[in-house]
Amino acid sequence: GQQLNQSPQSMFIQEGEDVSMNCTSSSIFNTWLWYKQEPGEGPVLLIALYKAGELTSNGRLTAQFGITRKDSFLNISASIPSDVGIYFCAGYTGNQFYFGTGTSLTVIP
Amino acid sequence: EAEVAQSPRYKITEKSQAVAFWCDPISGHATLYWYRQILGQGPELLVQFQDESVVDDSQLPKDRFSAERLKGVDSTLKIQPAELGDSAMYLCASSQLAGGLAGSYNEQFFGPGTRLTVL
Repeated sequence: GQQLNQSPQSMFIQEGEDVSMNCTSSSIFNTWLWYKQEPGEGPVLLIALYKAGELTSNGRLTAQFGITRKDSFLNISASIPSDVGIYFCAGYTGNQFYFGTGTSLTVIP
Repeated sequence: EAEVAQSPRYKITEKSQAVAFWCDPISGHATLYWYRQILGQGPELLVQFQDESVVDDSQLPKDRFSAERLKGVDSTLKIQPAELGDSAMYLCASSQLAGGLAGSYNEQFFGPGTRLTVL
């Protein structure tokens, strides 16, 4: 199955710093999604994006649906220790979900 | 709050043995998904059900994997025989409906997963 390319693969940041990660695909998607997964748990939806160019915020999280519909970006502002986890992007074709390779985030207090 | 339930949470088995995982989706959710997540990767869809019918099992290794959702509610995923490469997290998710019109999305809710280790 297809996997989307996420970068960076991992990040180690100081508490209070901003974080940026992105996701790219060779295919066009109708919907882009961002999930967070903590150890031993399933992914939890953070943000859903429905239109090319759309910019959506959820608290300290902001995500954008790329104009080409082949990429998406997630920003986390003023990181806190509980932001630790693995962040996955996912593209939705209308029939199936394809997940990215994940970005592991470590926040150092 | 309604949740997707999965059991067992952890399973250790020897290769060539049979294993089975169970999933109970959120009540009223018509669509159920089984994903496999290898360590360090994102989830990959194995099979998708709409009620009791399989709508996509193109990535399911059918020589050893089987899945059923007989009454359109809970579901079982089976591996027989298990191989070393099957070690992974097996995630179940459900949503109210599959698909959606452009500009809409039926949110998937994931269970906690079953961590399988094949020795």
